[in-house]
Amino acid sequence: DTAVSQTPKYLVTQMGNDKSIKCEQNLGHDTMYWYKQDSKKFLKIMFSYNNKELIINETVPNRFSPKSPDKAHLNLHINSLELGDSAVYFCASSQGREYEQYFGPGTRLTVT
Amino acid sequence: AQKVTQAQTEISVVEKEDVTLDCVYETRDTTYYLFWYKQPPSGELVFLIRRNSFDEQNEISGRYSWNFQKSTSSFNFTITASQVVDSAVYFCALTIQGAQKLVFGQGTRLTINP
Repeated sequence: DTAVSQTPKYLVTQMGNDKSIKCEQNLGHDTMYWYKQDSKKFLKIMFSYNNKELIINETVPNRFSPKSPDKAHLNLHINSLELGDSAVYFCASSQGREYEQYFGPGTRLTVT
Repeated sequence: AQKVTQAQTEISVVEKEDVTLDCVYETRDTTYYLFWYKQPPSGELVFLIRRNSFDEQNEISGRYSWNFQKSTSSFNFTITASQVVDSAVYFCALTIQGAQKLVFGQGTRLTINP
């Protein structure tokens, strides 16, 4: 029933590790996104995909690599985690570029 | 570049009071879309409303209403007869035609006290 789901909900890991966050949407949307919310609640776009094609990479370090195996999935892999990567990461989807985006529950990443 | 400003960082009111959250946006594009999202303490982001730049009609949905004024580049959100469950962080956001990303304001933390 969940429209946009993310796993895991919480991720605690040490500096230098590699981790992945998975996102799936069952809304039939062809556009998906990753946003980062920092400790001050500021939300910023990281990536956006349309029909599995990368459209936006908003000056995100190369350590972050999104992968879209199909229109319903957009995963985020992070290499060599740093303390500054600690944040909440939200996946979202929309039926088109200018339409409302529906967000997943978020993944709280803590790097120690 | 687009920008959204929510000057009110925190607002605290007593239940049943009316409260207005301000949102001012900047864009040079003539076609754009404005949004409001709610982030309750549980953390999810809940879509509330979408408005395009050609539709300046105000919108009312139950206790919620939105006032869009292009002349002042504002898209304000009013909650009438506030309730404790309205306590959340509220975000205003903007996208322009073809942009494929939302630009968010800093958010306003609203606390409704019983």
